[in-house]
Amino acid sequence: GENVEQHPSTLSVQEGDSAVIKCTYSDSASNYFHWYKQELGKGPQLIIDIRSNVGEKKDQRIAVTLNKTAKHFSLHITETQPEDSAVYFCAASILQGSGYALNFGKGTSLLVTP
Amino acid sequence: GAVVSQHPSWVICKSGTSVKIECRSLDFQATTMFWYRQFPKQSLMLMATSNEGSKATYEQGVEKDKFLINHASLTLSTLTVTSAHPEDSSFYICSVRIGAINSPLHFGNGTRLTVT
Repeated sequence: GENVEQHPSTLSVQEGDSAVIKCTYSDSASNYFHWYKQELGKGPQLIIDIRSNVGEKKDQRIAVTLNKTAKHFSLHITETQPEDSAVYFCAASILQGSGYALNFGKGTSLLVTP
Repeated sequence: GAVVSQHPSWVICKSGTSVKIECRSLDFQATTMFWYRQFPKQSLMLMATSNEGSKATYEQGVEKDKFLINHASLTLSTLTVTSAHPEDSSFYICSVRIGAINSPLHFGNGTRLTVT
């Protein structure tokens, strides 16, 4: 089945710096990729997604890039702020049976220090 | 605004008792809801897919008699942890998809279950 590897597991940056989190997937049939942000004690929230026919998508300070050949996608956060501190999960969607399975990475704990 | 409402947000129960967690879709009908479990500092593990009007589909290794799922209406799915034990202590989160079957998930705020 699909395997999603996420790195790093923890990341600490200074406020204003950029943060990059990378995920690799194993199944080339994965065709839709998501990034979720989970704050302490809450459920994950989708922050950006990208389909396999697109190489990059940007939403203000957040961007996602996809390299289908290398089978990896990355989350880029620019001008980080303390409120960006959270756990970030990547996910790859793949057709499975009559539905779609979502395979999550193990998460990255991001700390933005003032 | 919130798409999914989950209740309670936390619960403490004694070993051997059962606990029910509710997941409601707000302002839309959800024929399918997904139940996840998350251990501290770990990723999300899909437990089961709840289907309105029919039996839930459980992932491999998840005991269906232990984790009872009922999806009796288009806006409500419940997860009951039966005869809870300390090892069932975890963060349980429900989620739904809006629109296409491969669209991203909208998660509830989760339920922190502690079994003493």
